[in-house]
Amino acid sequence: QQQVKQSPQSLIVQKGGISIINCAYENTAFDYFPWYQQFPGKGPALLIAIRPDVSEKKEGRFTISFNKSAKQFSLHIMDSQPGDSATYFCAAKGRRGSTLGRLYFGRGTQLTVWP
Amino acid sequence: GAGVSQSPSNKVTEKGKDVELRCDPISGHTALYWYRQSLGQGLEFLIYFQGNSAPDKSGLPSDRFSAERTGGSVSTLTIQRTQQEDSAVYLCASTESTNQPQHFGDGTRLSIL
Repeated sequence: QQQVKQSPQSLIVQKGGISIINCAYENTAFDYFPWYQQFPGKGPALLIAIRPDVSEKKEGRFTISFNKSAKQFSLHIMDSQPGDSATYFCAAKGRRGSTLGRLYFGRGTQLTVWP
Repeated sequence: GAGVSQSPSNKVTEKGKDVELRCDPISGHTALYWYRQSLGQGLEFLIYFQGNSAPDKSGLPSDRFSAERTGGSVSTLTIQRTQQEDSAVYLCASTESTNQPQHFGDGTRLSIL
């Protein structure tokens, strides 16, 4: 069972445009929602993260929007650059019991930013 | 280095052979995770070590998979009698605690011929 669903699978954006990636989760026992960026041949690198008591978090060109009641969160990349071309994963972290600390990942979005 | 280190970076082996994958976590990180990333899939949890506690093995896909963590630091993931479906990138992550972000290594790309 996929606990975190991510869309779209791939995304092509013009340089300077806005990239938007969406995720939805089903289990309410999550307390931390990170986004990871992964380049080919490299491990995922933490990009930005949010906790469920906050509706929005912004770091530079990257913003997470979080809707607790809808169990959805999204990543917005403003002024997208060719260097942002990578695979992006959303995740949710378990907060209790057997899932404590475990990350559940979406299947990833391959972003391509055209110059 | 300061990051999570994994070795080897690539491993090609024949079906039926055993393989060992190594992870050196960030110094001082008490929690260590193994994940598997298959083509077109997200990251799948395998096993979790926290300090001296018994590991959470609930994500291991079969009894051919095992892992250990010696001295609370280096971890080894062992796959016995490898199968073609074991081909994937095996990623290791570590963190100071379950309330802190997980930091990933660059993984071991395992190919089973």
